[in-house]
Amino acid sequence: DQQVKQNSPSLSVQEGRISILNCDYTNSMFDYFLWYKKYPAEGPTFLISISSIKDKNEDGRFTVFLNKSAKHLSLHIVPSQPGDSAVYFCAASALGGSSNTGKLIFGQGTTLQVKP
Amino acid sequence: NAGVMQNPRHLVRRRGQEARLRCSPMKGHSHVYWYRQLPEEGLKFMVYLQKENIIDESGMPKERFSAEFPKEGPSILRIQQVVRGDSAAYFCASSNRVDTQYFGPGTRLTVL
Repeated sequence: DQQVKQNSPSLSVQEGRISILNCDYTNSMFDYFLWYKKYPAEGPTFLISISSIKDKNEDGRFTVFLNKSAKHLSLHIVPSQPGDSAVYFCAASALGGSSNTGKLIFGQGTTLQVKP
Repeated sequence: NAGVMQNPRHLVRRRGQEARLRCSPMKGHSHVYWYRQLPEEGLKFMVYLQKENIIDESGMPKERFSAEFPKEGPSILRIQQVVRGDSAAYFCASSNRVDTQYFGPGTRLTVL
């Protein structure tokens, strides 16, 4: 039962262009969403998060959009840089639930390649 | 990743041996989470601990796996009688409250 899905295993964009990574979820109890970036042989690095009370959060080149009705979120990277090439994971949590443990449910990841 | 430490970074065990993975959370963090990443998959939650307490172990296999976070010292994930299917990357994350988690570099376990 994959509650968080990243349907695109890979994405290739040109340097300077926009990268859009997508994520869908099925559990309506999820109310906190995060994006992590991961290089090979390293741990995930936190990028940006969004609470379900918002529909957009921006931090520098990174913006996350949340569409609760569609149970969909996306990460926009503008402009994309070669150093952004990595695997990006979407993760969700149900912080407001009665069993508020904060455990993260991850998608399968999308490999982003930014070409110079 | 800064601050969350895991050791060893690589661990090789033969089938039937025990594996002990250690995690020191970021300074000031009292919440520790363990995740496992199998090849070509995303990270899967295993267990959530606070000092001296297991809060949520819903992702832990029923047998051979255990975790602790003692009052002093690192959190330890212990796998007894390892099998080849235990080969994976094991990540520890910490937080100072139940929201954003910061991950360590991981321990890559290989079972021969």
